[in-house]
Amino acid sequence: QVQLVESGGGVVQPGRSLGLSCAASGFTSSSYVMHWVRQPPGKGLEWVAITDGNNKFYADSVKGRFTISSDNSKNTLYLQMNSLRAEDTAVYYCAREVPRSGLFDYWGQGTLVTVSS
Amino acid sequence: QSVLTQPPSASGTPGQRVTISCSGGSSNIGRNSVSWCQHLPGTAPKVLIYKDDQRPSGVPDRFSGSKSGTSTSLAISGLRSEDEADYYCAVWDDSLSVWVFGGGTKLTVL
Repeated sequence: QVQLVESGGGVVQPGRSLGLSCAASGFTSSSYVMHWVRQPPGKGLEWVAITDGNNKFYADSVKGRFTISSDNSKNTLYLQMNSLRAEDTAVYYCAREVPRSGLFDYWGQGTLVTVSS
Repeated sequence: QSVLTQPPSASGTPGQRVTISCSGGSSNIGRNSVSWCQHLPGTAPKVLIYKDDQRPSGVPDRFSGSKSGTSTSLAISGLRSEDEADYYCAVWDDSLSVWVFGGGTKLTVL
């Protein structure tokens, strides 16, 4: 069955880097649009980034610091986060979108990133 | 502050019908299809509505979506205690080239 499993979260100091992974199974991720969405503690959902394999877009709050990518051979989505700030502290979810539908039909369980000195 | 405006809270009693609104602009709701997500603490979000008014398989028909101009609404009829959650509207913004989520509405079932 379809599964998305995030990993890579943890505690990191401000200004440092961290990489998240989202392993997909039960489908070919290159056939879908893939997103990263986060939820800071006590706040609402915030969209982070999207890729359809060719195009990539980012929220203004992470543009220039975060990079979304995918490895089709590993069926895995990545989020490289550089120059981390305290406000990047959040639970990060990867999600699959059926192309051009707005249907985020599968989500991972989330991985917590804490940026703190 | 989100470009999509939702009321921070809503409430209803079991069996009632509740509506949650989401207001945007011409570059997002006015031009693109809206999705609605339900989020329970500690769980992954779940899409209830996509393409303004479509329900994914498995979502009860108690949930319905509608859109008019630059505003959209999620209606929940026959309210149940398990509907107590946070609800978010989401849409692609053509001007910003980003997806945007509303600020979220916390639904309380009294």
